Amino acid sequence: QKEVEQDPGPLSVPEGAIVSLNCTYSNSAFQYFMWYRQYSRKGPELLMYTYSSGNKEDGRFTAQVDKSSKYISLFIRDSQPSDSATYLCAMRVNTGNQFYFGTGTSLTVIP
Amino acid sequence: DSGVTQTPKHLITATGQRVTLRCSPRSGDLSVYWYQQSLDQGLQFLIQYYNGEERAKGNILERFSAQQFPDLHSELNLSSLELGDSALYFCASSVESISGNTIYFGEGSWLTVV
Repeated sequence: QKEVEQDPGPLSVPEGAIVSLNCTYSNSAFQYFMWYRQYSRKGPELLMYTYSSGNKEDGRFTAQVDKSSKYISLFIRDSQPSDSATYLCAMRVNTGNQFYFGTGTSLTVIP
Repeated sequence: DSGVTQTPKHLITATGQRVTLRCSPRSGDLSVYWYQQSLDQGLQFLIQYYNGEERAKGNILERFSAQQFPDLHSELNLSSLELGDSALYFCASSVESISGNTIYFGEGSWLTVV
């Protein structure tokens, strides 16, 4: 079993839709959770960073962590064509440890 | 701009050759990570250095090696190149503290082996 599982998609939504992206994980020791956005052939860009459980909101983006279910989500409200990219989740046990990445979900927002 | 600088951006080389990819981390970051991303594949962790010392090793081939220098820049050396080594190679850096527990990626070095 992989440490981090992420549905690769592809996911296609109309402009203005609410997008839900998810990852599940197996290691209950993960404490730090991140979402990255990667445009084609570009470096992953940090979108959201959350410590432990709970919600974090930043503009149109909301990150949720449910440690009891080992499940994290990224919600994108009022999706825009510029949100079309691959979204990667990542997590880590503690400072200094390795980061574990999901394989990424490809999202297309149709105008 | 993440602050992580990678050179070269693109590289085309022949099988059997050796190349060196260079990374300058963000100012103040002590930790450097190298990742490989093949076409339509996820990020594969290769190796991590912290303040000049190797800290963790992932799926790095014996033909590949890396080091981090006293000025904290890092180099990834790829030798005896094969067609299958064609990929995007990303460097990432982290400050490694409770308040800065995430990593920032460079734009990558796109290696094509022909």
